[in-house]
Amino acid sequence: QKEVEQDPGPLSVPEGAIVSLNCTYSNSAFQYFMWYRQYSRKGPELLMYTYSSGNKEDGRFTAQVDKSSKYISLFIRDSQPSDSATYLCAMSESGGSYIPTFGRGTSLIVHP
Amino acid sequence: NAGVTQTPKFQVLKTGQSMTLQCAQDMNHNSMYWYRQDPGMGLRLIYYSASEGTTDKGEVPNGYNVSRLNKREFSLRLESAAPSQTSVYFCASRRTPTGETYEQFFGPGTRLTVL
Repeated sequence: QKEVEQDPGPLSVPEGAIVSLNCTYSNSAFQYFMWYRQYSRKGPELLMYTYSSGNKEDGRFTAQVDKSSKYISLFIRDSQPSDSATYLCAMSESGGSYIPTFGRGTSLIVHP
Repeated sequence: NAGVTQTPKFQVLKTGQSMTLQCAQDMNHNSMYWYRQDPGMGLRLIYYSASEGTTDKGEVPNGYNVSRLNKREFSLRLESAAPSQTSVYFCASRRTPTGETYEQFFGPGTRLTVL
């Protein structure tokens, strides 16, 4: 079992829908939780970043971390076709050399 | 500010050939990383350099070597390419952390096919 599990999808939704993307993990020492967005044939870009538990909101995007359940989520409100991409979760322990563990990525398709 | 640049963008090799993938960053970052990305496998770390002068193995180092040439440049070498090394290769760098930020910046990738 991988340390980080993420459903690869694809997840297909209509424009305007609320999207929920999720990852589960097994390492209770993870403290930093990130979501990267990767457009086709591009490198990943950091979208959201959260330290420890709680919620973080940035425009249409909300990241949630539930450490008790070892579960993180990314919500996208009012989804747009331009949100079509692969979303990778990543997480790491604090300190040390910081080597993040990535999920496999979820492919999201938002159709007009 | 170009960020992280990678060359070449595409490459086709025959089994047994060698090549070096180049990576450079202009953000004065300390740490640099090489990943490979295969369908359904996510990003897997090949090698990383926590700071200039140091390199360490990642999850899948076999068949690869690296050189941290200076603070800006980090190269990945395939000595004898194999079809299993067909993949998309990403270089990433991380700025010296201030506060709680641990963001990695990725290059555009090199698409490598080994026949």
